[in-house]
Amino acid sequence: RKEVEQDPGPFNVPEGATVAFNCTYSNSASQSFFWYRQDCRKEPKLLMSVYSSGNEDGRFTAQLNRASQYISLLIRDSKLSDSATYLCVAYLGYKLSFGAGTTVTVRA
Amino acid sequence: EAGVTQSPTHLIKTRGQQATLRCSPISGHTSVYWYQQALGLGLQFLLWYDEGEERNRGNFPPRFSGRQFPNYSSELNVNALELEDSALYLCASSPRTANTEAFFGQGTRLTVV
Repeated sequence: RKEVEQDPGPFNVPEGATVAFNCTYSNSASQSFFWYRQDCRKEPKLLMSVYSSGNEDGRFTAQLNRASQYISLLIRDSKLSDSATYLCVAYLGYKLSFGAGTTVTVRA
Repeated sequence: EAGVTQSPTHLIKTRGQQATLRCSPISGHTSVYWYQQALGLGLQFLLWYDEGEERNRGNFPPRFSGRQFPNYSSELNVNALELEDSALYLCASSPRTANTEAFFGQGTRLTVV
């Protein structure tokens, strides 16, 4: 089983829509979690950190469910500029483990 | 404040050669991570250095190696290059307490021909 698994998508949504997707992790000892976004052939950029039950930053909300070992990311009022691949990351105590990413495409 | 810098941005090598990639972390960061991202694939963990020591390595052959210098910059060496080593190599740095965010450089795009 992979350490971090994500639904690859793609999620194709119209502007203004809400889109949400999950990430599951296998190591219950994972201490912290992060969401990064990666644009095509560019470096990942930190979107949000999730240390406790969740975090909210503007249109973006992350929630952590330790009992079920998943983290979710919700994007409200989607913009064209939100089109990217979203990477879920778990800190395992000995490395940062990345999911393969969820692709989101926002259409006009 | 300067971010993570990597050099070179592009590198073309022939099969069998050696490649050296460099990374300078954000000032004050002591941890450096290296990842490989082949075209269309996810990030694969290569190496983690902290305070000059290798703390962990991913499932890669020994011809992938590196080191971290006293100023916390890092080098990734790939020996006996193979065609499938062609990828974007990303370096990220984080503060000593590794349970925090890591910030990435723009990457080195290695092409093996």
